[in-house]
Amino acid sequence: AQRVTQPEKLLSVFKGAPVELKCNYSYSGSPELFWYVQYSRQRLQLLLRHISRESIKGFTADLNKGETSFHLKKPFAQEEDSAMYYCALSDRGSTLGRLYFGRGTQLTVWP
Amino acid sequence: DGGITQSPKYLFRKEGQNVTLSCEQNLNHDAMYWYRQDPGQGLRLIYYSQIVNDFQKGDIAEGYSVSREKKESFPLTVTSAQKNPTAFYLCARSIDGRANYGYTFGSGTRLTVV
Repeated sequence: AQRVTQPEKLLSVFKGAPVELKCNYSYSGSPELFWYVQYSRQRLQLLLRHISRESIKGFTADLNKGETSFHLKKPFAQEEDSAMYYCALSDRGSTLGRLYFGRGTQLTVWP
Repeated sequence: DGGITQSPKYLFRKEGQNVTLSCEQNLNHDAMYWYRQDPGQGLRLIYYSQIVNDFQKGDIAEGYSVSREKKESFPLTVTSAQKNPTAFYLCARSIDGRANYGYTFGSGTRLTVV
């Protein structure tokens, strides 16, 4: 069963516009949620973790347990935000230590 | 490099050959993982290992094999039984073995069957 769903394969916005990348999850345990980003020709890197409640590069994400969502938001998109974004989930209670990834959303920010 | 190194960056394989992808980490972490990345399919787990001499199959282990003889090394062999091996392969490590802090990924190996 797919645990993480990213409904948008592609997303395009203009520079300065707000952007929201959607992530929904399905898990009965206690999930920890992450957003990863992969810029062109760079390695996949952690953007933010739910539990840290931090803002990285202007991005934030709020866990909504009622809607089982963890959408990534930025009020004013920049061209350098163009990248592939992956939402991921781990079960905090599990000893398996694995992450489940969504299929990714390719964000393009036009000048 | 985040303490994790993959080599080679590009690899070409003839049909019917086995090839081995290298993954090394220098941070003394126990848990290591292999993922395959395909366009539109996200990252799919091939194998993972939480301690030396032990590893578990992930979601798409068929046609692949691994070993974990040393803590710092977790090589992946793509065998001739893998029907569609052309892909981007990512190795990762986790700090705590439970993925509570996420993973750190290597830079990847792009395998192409010719």
